[in-house]
Amino acid sequence: DGGITQSPKYLFRKEGQNVTLSCEQNLNHDAMYWYRQDPGQGLRLIYYSQIVNDFQKGDIAEGYSVSREKKESFPLTVTSAQKNPTAFYLCASSVPGASYGYTFGSGTRLTVV
Amino acid sequence: GQNIDQPTEMTATEGAIVQINCTYQTSGFNGLFWYQQHAGEAPTFLSYNVLDGLEEKGRFSSFLSRSKGYSYLLLKELQMKDSASYLCAVTPGSNYQLIWGAGTKLIIKP
Repeated sequence: DGGITQSPKYLFRKEGQNVTLSCEQNLNHDAMYWYRQDPGQGLRLIYYSQIVNDFQKGDIAEGYSVSREKKESFPLTVTSAQKNPTAFYLCASSVPGASYGYTFGSGTRLTVV
Repeated sequence: GQNIDQPTEMTATEGAIVQINCTYQTSGFNGLFWYQQHAGEAPTFLSYNVLDGLEEKGRFSSFLSRSKGYSYLLLKELQMKDSASYLCAVTPGSNYQLIWGAGTKLIIKP
């Protein structure tokens, strides 16, 4: 079955450390997205990529980095520069054609300890 | 700017009907989505509207008025499992990126 896999589901990080969240899809979708969700808030776009080897900053890109070396993979690195990284991170993908919407991974909950 | 407004929280009774409203002001319009999100889980697709009118899918219906920048999600015969957040999202441009509302937390009481 096709889908998006995010790993790990829970992640703990010490302050000052970088951490990478994995996102893999086998849906053959061109576009991929990373969102951050804080309690009681909506989805905020961190980065997105519409094609391999190309990505764009979203609304809250500071302190984050991404790569898109393969169509299937869009890892997100939370760097030590991100001042408040504790949040729920969601990866999504889509194809051109508005009626399809986005398909989401199950999310990674990152906690800084 | 782009803006999507939804009520923060609503409460309803099991077996009843509830309507969740969404108003939007965006630079363009290529469709409006409703997603359901249970706590700690990923959003799941509920509906898509691009033309004015009502789309019905079982217990859930979604309505759109483009001239008013308005949509609602109607949930009938509420069940306890319908307790979740409901997210309204608009795709304003041809690249089909979504602009998200903050979501409406729906609490169902017995």
